[in-house]
Amino acid sequence: AQSVTQPDIHITVSEGASLELRCNYSYGATPYLFWYVQSPGQGLQLLLKYFSGDTLVQGIKGFEAEFKRSQSSFNLRKPSVHWSDAAEYFCAVAPTDSWGKLQFGAGTQVVVTP
Amino acid sequence: EPEVTQTPSHQVTQMGQEVILRCVPISNHLYFYWYRQILGQKVEFLVSFYNNEISEKSEIFDDQFSVERPDGSNFTLKIRSTKLEDSAMYFCASSPDEETQYFGPGTRLLVL
Repeated sequence: AQSVTQPDIHITVSEGASLELRCNYSYGATPYLFWYVQSPGQGLQLLLKYFSGDTLVQGIKGFEAEFKRSQSSFNLRKPSVHWSDAAEYFCAVAPTDSWGKLQFGAGTQVVVTP
Repeated sequence: EPEVTQTPSHQVTQMGQEVILRCVPISNHLYFYWYRQILGQKVEFLVSFYNNEISEKSEIFDDQFSVERPDGSNFTLKIRSTKLEDSAMYFCASSPDEETQYFGPGTRLLVL
């Protein structure tokens, strides 16, 4: 069955420290891959996406993600987090034959401490 | 920067009542979507809409649900006879090209 897994429900990180959020997928073919962020009271904002090509993708707000086909992973990273990065982060995938039908992971809540 | 907007932000209704959730997509977008997130669960796809018809729908999107683009700017989700299990956050999204979806802030629906 097709699935998207975010193994970490909750991560606490100190301001200025690095952050890595994990995402694994299980699909027959490599799907299109996305990371979204949701701040309280806000909608889901797209951070970055991967369709093909360079496996290291740069996004907004200083985030990047690396696609690793061998591990079926698309992990999100930021070298130095800011207090404003506290939010919930969602990995999402779309089958290549059904782009519009995003399937989301359960989300990872990120807390940033001073 | 253009945004997807949704109204109301919160709605409380009685079981069996009809509700209409409204969305204003970004103006030049052509593809429209509804998703929902039941508390504590994943965001789930409900339906996609293009060229005034449903492109795809999930098994959740049964006969009690309908979507409409009544006036070229709004995109609505109607739930005909609400059930307790319809309580959720409902997200609207739009896309210019089907590649990237832009989401609204959501409507929290509570069915009593």
